[in-house]
Amino acid sequence: EIVLTQSPATLSLSPGERAALSCRASQSVNIYLAWYQQKPGQAPSLLIYDSSTRASGVPARFSGSGSGTDFTLTISSLEPEDFAVYYCQQRSDRPLTFGQGTRLEIK
Amino acid sequence: EVQLVQSGPEVKKPGDSLKISCQTSGYTFTNNWINWVRQLPGQGLEWMGSFDPRDSSTYYSPSFQGHVTLSVDRSINTAYLQWNSLKASDTAIYYCARRGQKTSFFSFWGQGTLVTVSS
Repeated sequence: EIVLTQSPATLSLSPGERAALSCRASQSVNIYLAWYQQKPGQAPSLLIYDSSTRASGVPARFSGSGSGTDFTLTISSLEPEDFAVYYCQQRSDRPLTFGQGTRLEIK
Repeated sequence: EVQLVQSGPEVKKPGDSLKISCQTSGYTFTNNWINWVRQLPGQGLEWMGSFDPRDSSTYYSPSFQGHVTLSVDRSINTAYLQWNSLKASDTAIYYCARRGQKTSFFSFWGQGTLVTVSS
């Protein structure tokens, strides 16, 4: 099973700041990694797939990068609605796995 | 518009059986696998397995193999997640999810079903 490790567990930033979230895989997942955003009481929402492709309707301030084992989700300038929990997920191999999440909170 | 609408919250006792549903619309049901994802209270996401409505092919995560059963009813475009004997540790929110048009990642999600198992 491919283990995804996200860091940090919690990130405290202010609106307007830049956020960088990390996801490291225990073995290569090529580019088959996605990022989801989850707000309280809601289902997750796909932000980025295949490492760097924004899903439909996702603002340009969200970007993804990486390949192999190291991936980053960057939010260029935080908006109030961006404070949420973010998960990475791989589909390179079954079982599909998620990271444990990074909570992005308002400082 | 693609929609996945899940059944309502459930409260059960340990040992009870349960079947929750995910009713789909807005697309050809047999063209896309349905996946199930668990979220324990205050915790992260876990993929449980996936089911192909076209030919009933199924993949289970080893963590859930033998404890849950996935199925569908093609006549009503609905997918199911079933337990024969619930445990307190099954208390969680369960989501169904489907791939997107341009990606195999989960673009479409149900709203989630809260299952509470308590004596």
